[in-house]
Amino acid sequence: GAGVSQTPSNKVTEKGKYVELRCDPISGHTALYWYRQSLGQGPEFLIYFQGTGAADDSGLPNDRFFAVRPEGSVSTLKIQRTERGDSAVYLCASSPQRNSPLHFGNGTRLTVT
Amino acid sequence: KQEVTQIPAALSVPEGENLVLNCSFTDSAIYNLQWFRQDPGKGLTSLLLIQSSQREQTSGRLNASLDKSSGRSTLYIAASQPGDSATYLCAVPSTGANSKLTFGKGITLSVRP
Repeated sequence: GAGVSQTPSNKVTEKGKYVELRCDPISGHTALYWYRQSLGQGPEFLIYFQGTGAADDSGLPNDRFFAVRPEGSVSTLKIQRTERGDSAVYLCASSPQRNSPLHFGNGTRLTVT
Repeated sequence: KQEVTQIPAALSVPEGENLVLNCSFTDSAIYNLQWFRQDPGKGLTSLLLIQSSQREQTSGRLNASLDKSSGRSTLYIAASQPGDSATYLCAVPSTGANSKLTFGKGITLSVRP
């Protein structure tokens, strides 16, 4: 079956612009996670959804970052007033339930110039 | 705060060698531990998940062990092949929240033909 799909695969934007990153999880997976990975580092947690609600958003770095999952399936990570320091690979993962293996997408590489 | 360490950062071995990748974590009160593989430009693939009640898990040529009391896990790869070349990351749920993972920085493995 289809895995976790993330679009776009690459995004280049200018400093100060607004961007949206999309994640299509595996069908039926209720848990959805966003992570951010910088070069040479492990992924860092941003936000976790259980169904439609954000169960834990403690990893969002500031109020420029926001994520939604309105119907409990597709999720969108939104970044306002992008900064060069936001450049990273943004990874989405889903799982059928908590304490289960995570299935990751290939990520969106965001470059802020 | 949970911290995960993986040393060394990189490893190069000739094909056919059996090898061990190490992972240590600071807080032993974990629900599980996962090992992931990441190929360049790709997302993470879950290799093995060990529940806190388990001592080890096996999948093909891979064997992962967990010693909670000492805060250590090892990933054993038997008869390494060039196709095993990738970055291997371990991750544990953060203290008090099994919904988000804390990752190590990973070990980049190169298996020479």
